[in-house]
Amino acid sequence: KTQVEQSPQSLVVRQGENCVLQCNYSVTPDNHLRWFKQDTGKGLVSLTVLVHENDKTSNGRYSATLDKDAKHSTLHITATLLDDTATYICVVGDRGSALGRLHFGAGTQLIVIP
Amino acid sequence: DAGVTQTPRHEVAEKGQTIILKCEPVSGHNDLFWYRQTKIQGLELLSYFRSKSLMEDGGAFKDRFKAEMLNSSFSTLKIQPTEPKDSAVYLCASRPGTKDTQYFGPGTRLLVL
Repeated sequence: KTQVEQSPQSLVVRQGENCVLQCNYSVTPDNHLRWFKQDTGKGLVSLTVLVHENDKTSNGRYSATLDKDAKHSTLHITATLLDDTATYICVVGDRGSALGRLHFGAGTQLIVIP
Repeated sequence: DAGVTQTPRHEVAEKGQTIILKCEPVSGHNDLFWYRQTKIQGLELLSYFRSKSLMEDGGAFKDRFKAEMLNSSFSTLKIQPTEPKDSAVYLCASRPGTKDTQYFGPGTRLLVL
């Protein structure tokens, strides 16, 4: 059973618009949550990591929130650029140790058009 | 600094062949991972090495998939024999320690006919 669900599956926005990507999970325990960006034909690149209850992070035009009670995270992208076209993957780590497992979502495919 | 490198970038194999994928992690990283990525399943863990020791072998992938790490700077993933359902992108990732983010290679795109 999938423990990390991302929505929407795909999204098309116009350059300059804002967008919000959702991640819901059932992983227990939930040590941390990380958002990755994957450009077509490339590997995953970490955007941000959230660790604590009600954490909020900001990395340039990317900002993220985590609600551990609801087991829910959002990734906001402000003033999208064409280069934001990529797949965004939510990953939940169940422990912060070598025994921990990473649980990957299937990703949201974002397409930014001119 | 060199990131994670993977070779080849693309591979085409006939059903029943043996193929070997290669990965060089970031220098100094202790952990190395192999993943399979498909549109339907997303990323699935194949193997996890910590300081060259196999920590996890991905359960369901044991029978035809074998990852090895003979030294800290090189790992291989052997698929034998290949099947069409193995067509996917194979990603290698490394990280300094358990609390750090993973650094991913560009992947090897495998097509099995």
